Amino acid sequence: NAGVTQTPKFRVLKTGQSMTLLCAQDMNHEYMYWYRQDPGMGLRLIHYSVGEGTTAKGEVPDGYNVSRLKKQNFLLGLESAAPSQTSVYFCASSLQLGQGGELFFGEGSRLTVL
Amino acid sequence: AQKVTQAQTEISVVEKEDVTLDCVYETRDTTYYLFWYKQPPSGELVFLIRRNSFDEQNEISGRYSWNFQKSTSSFNFTITASQVVDSAVYFCALSQGVDYKLSFGAGTTVTVRA
Repeated sequence: NAGVTQTPKFRVLKTGQSMTLLCAQDMNHEYMYWYRQDPGMGLRLIHYSVGEGTTAKGEVPDGYNVSRLKKQNFLLGLESAAPSQTSVYFCASSLQLGQGGELFFGEGSRLTVL
Repeated sequence: AQKVTQAQTEISVVEKEDVTLDCVYETRDTTYYLFWYKQPPSGELVFLIRRNSFDEQNEISGRYSWNFQKSTSSFNFTITASQVVDSAVYFCALSQGVDYKLSFGAGTTVTVRA
């Protein structure tokens, strides 16, 4: 069972470079999310999507863009990476939007920006 | 503003000791949901429990138990007779508001020593 799959798992970037993180889920979930995890700060929501073709800003959206062209995929883009974006990124999906709905997480993608 | 506070940053216990993790939340909503997630050293996030605001019954699942008290806005988690495999970071989370987005606490790192 694949569940939620993130690629790549690790990436090192130089300041100013761009990259895209791909999240794929095979559970037919409507809702998908991108979080970042930083020491002492828990997980913070970057962007989320309530369905194919829709996206919305979360708690810390600046410096990131997202797209949900297909229901099963949610892409997180960094157009010009900064050292402050060094973090572990988690994608998640759920059947319901938050309320009572369990989030299923990917394994995380560790990004380092030099 | 932090909606979920986990005041304990780290807890270290010896195997078979009980450990209680505190979680205090802030909300003005009458309908909301509370969650606990576990993040073992491998990194993935594992769902443990959810509770809606109308259900204040305590819950026990094996060695895990949860105490939900609306009067003190707390949703505490107890591991009874801890084991080394319980070593992980535990996150409390709150789902509320228009989109019921999930807000996480900073996490509590539990280390169980043999």
